[in-house]
Amino acid sequence: GQSLEQPSEVTAVEGAIVQINCTYQTSGFYGLSWYQQHDGGAPTFLSYNALDGLEETGRFSSFLSRSDSYGYLLLQELQMKDSASYFCAGLRGSTLGRLYFGRGTQLTVWP
Amino acid sequence: GAVVSQHPSWVICKSGTSVKIECRSLDFQATTMFWYRQFPKQSLMLMATSNEGSKATYEQGVEKDKFLINHASLTLSTLTVTSAHPEDSSFYICSARRGGGTPDGYTFGSGTRLTVV
Repeated sequence: GQSLEQPSEVTAVEGAIVQINCTYQTSGFYGLSWYQQHDGGAPTFLSYNALDGLEETGRFSSFLSRSDSYGYLLLQELQMKDSASYFCAGLRGSTLGRLYFGRGTQLTVWP
Repeated sequence: GAVVSQHPSWVICKSGTSVKIECRSLDFQATTMFWYRQFPKQSLMLMATSNEGSKATYEQGVEKDKFLINHASLTLSTLTVTSAHPEDSSFYICSARRGGGTPDGYTFGSGTRLTVV
């Protein structure tokens, strides 16, 4: 089956660094991706790890360890606009490519 | 960039009626589209995967006769909630995949908030 666990809430102040962890139990799993969703909006793609290691994209970085079934999203130099929900999602199936999402982490950035 | 338009953005319907939600890829062809359901403060739950010209593949526990999916062209997929009931009230989101299978090729619609009264 597909199960991705992440913390429900995280709070931080502007300029800080925050890490959102994701542990998973997913069969036939090709990689881990991260999405941002503001209230009532469309999820937007942030990062994807197909291989173990760190991927860096501007202020956001993502890490994957397949042996530990674990990944994280690192957000640096936090800004107020980063307040949103963050979802990890496992990619299953090379042909159909289904994404299965975690429950999401609500990040609140305080001034 | 890739844009997916979802319509309507919100809809209120009476219990027992059917509602159709459209998902269009505006500037690319999407061989595969996905439909998700999201409850407040909850995860996006995959309902079904639709490929152009073929029957949709439903996730376990999703009633295919209740949630009818049609993917008639490379740019349009529709989800019809038949005989809607209050428990079907939710936020429905579509996603369209272009190119290869990596997540950066998936674009989400803005969602449809369905309220059944």
